[in-house]
Amino acid sequence: DVKVTQSSRYLVKRTGEKVFLECVQDMDHENMFWYRQDPGLGLRLIYFSYDVKMKEKGDIPEGYSVSREKKERFSLILESASTNQTSMYLCASSLGAGGISAEAFFGQGTRLTVV
Amino acid sequence: SQKIEQNSEALNIQEGKTATLTCNYTNYSPAYLQWYRQDPGRGPVFLLLIRENEKEKRKERLKVTFDTTLKQSLFHITASQPADSATYLCALESSTLGRLYFGRGTQLTVWP
Repeated sequence: DVKVTQSSRYLVKRTGEKVFLECVQDMDHENMFWYRQDPGLGLRLIYFSYDVKMKEKGDIPEGYSVSREKKERFSLILESASTNQTSMYLCASSLGAGGISAEAFFGQGTRLTVV
Repeated sequence: SQKIEQNSEALNIQEGKTATLTCNYTNYSPAYLQWYRQDPGRGPVFLLLIRENEKEKRKERLKVTFDTTLKQSLFHITASQPADSATYLCALESSTLGRLYFGRGTQLTVWP
């Protein structure tokens, strides 16, 4: 069974802290994504990676960075957490090889609260 | 700029009826369109993918249409059940690299 695993289900951090959200997929997928989801705003793409060490900014990259050192792992980093980054964070992966689209598989989500 | 719109935030229908959800897009030329289901507190789950050269696709009680001229997809659930209550999202790719964008979703409630 395919799986995308996010390191934490719930997280509470203080303003100014550096926060790491980890995501691991076991499907050998090329593409990995980080989204945040807020009521009324839907899923917004933060960053996208199409290969190891390759990344592209999404719609809302400000205040975030990402790391993909290994194919199976995609990390989202909040350099200095702020209260407006309180949200549900969702990681996803898809096959994506050669520009061929495929369904995306999502993790269970991390509900981050910044106080 | 690119935009994906789902026709309404909420849709309430009676059990047994057909639910029809709409996804409109502008400034895209997608080769694929996807539909997902999301339950509260969980990640979206893939339902169906339809290609630009496919007019219609079916899976059990689900049917999706794709009209590239109108830039619209319709998602139908026939013989709806209370268990179909969830938020339904449409998604498009914006480039050959596979970047995936989502609409805001339509929350469907099926009442007995």
